[in-house]
Amino acid sequence: EVVITQSPLSLPVTLGQPASISCRSSQSLVYSDGNTFLNWFQQRPGQSPRRLIYKVSNRDSGVPDRFSGSGSGTDFTLKISRVEAEDVGVYYCVQGTHWPWSFGQGTKVEIK
Amino acid sequence: EVQLVESGGGLVQPGGSLRLSCAASGFTFSNRWMSWVRQAPGKGLEWVAIIKQDEGEKYYLDSVKGRFTISRDNAKDSLYLQMNGLRAEDTAVYYCARGSGRDGCDYWGQGTLVTVSS
Repeated sequence: EVVITQSPLSLPVTLGQPASISCRSSQSLVYSDGNTFLNWFQQRPGQSPRRLIYKVSNRDSGVPDRFSGSGSGTDFTLKISRVEAEDVGVYYCVQGTHWPWSFGQGTKVEIK
Repeated sequence: EVQLVESGGGLVQPGGSLRLSCAASGFTFSNRWMSWVRQAPGKGLEWVAIIKQDEGEKYYLDSVKGRFTISRDNAKDSLYLQMNGLRAEDTAVYYCARGSGRDGCDYWGQGTLVTVSS
């Protein structure tokens, strides 16, 4: 089973400042078809998860362009260019290359 | 508008059974893989099971294999999760999501809470 390790687990950020979350996989996430199935979710308090980024760097419709994803192989990053109050919540990366799909532990983003 | 509405959660004793349902609307249900994902209270997310459009492929998390069964009724635009032999560690909010999960699933329901306790 693929183990996904996120860091940090807690991320206090000043409004307007950038934030970065790391996601590392115990195995390469490159699938046999050449795609890399690493996705990012945001879960605001009391809400269902919301997909932000799929296949490393593809932003979902309606997701602000301050969110971006990057990486390859086993190392991936979610960046928020300028944190806003509405970005508070827990962020998860999840791999969809090797079944069972596995999530990172989550990174709690809060405002300082 | 895509909507996924779960139902069927509740309190059940250890060893008991429960059947979750997910009513889908706003898209062609029969064209999509579907998933169940759970989240224990205050904990992270765990992908439980996925099912292909024609039920020809189903995959389960090891810890639920042999106890849970995912199924669907394309005529009713509905997804199901039959849960037998429930354990305390199955206590969670169960989400229905559109897609196989390879790309993370683009739409999720609001979840239904399953509590396994005596």
